[in-house]
Amino acid sequence: EAQVTQNPRYLITVTGKKLTVTCSQNMNHEYMSWYRQDPGLGLRQIYYSMNVEVTDKGDVPEGYKVSRKEKRNFPLILESPSPNQTSLYFCASSRGIGRGETQYFGPGTRLLVL
Amino acid sequence: KQEVTQIPAALSVPEGENLVLNCSFTDSAIYNLQWFRQDPGKGLTSLLLIQSSQREQTSGRLNASLDKSSGRSTLYIAASQPGDSATYLCAVKSSNTGKLIFGQGTTLQVKP
Repeated sequence: EAQVTQNPRYLITVTGKKLTVTCSQNMNHEYMSWYRQDPGLGLRQIYYSMNVEVTDKGDVPEGYKVSRKEKRNFPLILESPSPNQTSLYFCASSRGIGRGETQYFGPGTRLLVL
Repeated sequence: KQEVTQIPAALSVPEGENLVLNCSFTDSAIYNLQWFRQDPGKGLTSLLLIQSSQREQTSGRLNASLDKSSGRSTLYIAASQPGDSATYLCAVKSSNTGKLIFGQGTTLQVKP
């Protein structure tokens, strides 16, 4: 089954404790992206990657890191989480960013930073 | 800067009603417009994608229209069912950046 998976689905942590949210897709997609969703603000892009070893900042990259060492994986790293990073996070992938390409979304990771 | 607005923020209707969700965007430089469905605790599922050159797309009981010149799209749901209860998100793909810009969503409740 074609899908985007994220782990963990739920995470409670404390300020300053490094964490990684994994994202993996099995569709051989080149483009991958991370979003955060907050009430009243909608989905905002954190980082994206056009291909292996190519990453770029989205609209809200502060406090986050990503890597793209393999085509299928795109982990999101919070080196020193803070309470304002409490949010619902989505990973997405697509074949590219062309006109007709649709993004496939993972199930989301709900993060609470105390 | 592209901004996407969805009205209303929430909607409650009895089962069987036809309904319209609205989406507006400020910059007409788009590749396409997409409607997504989001269920609680789950990710986003793409419902319909309308290319910038198209006027509408249909899938089952869903029909989405696009008027690029006026910066508007509507999602029409016919004969609504309780299973249609979800949050519906509109997103445009900017032809300047290739990025998806999302609206804040309309939360729909269809009562049996």
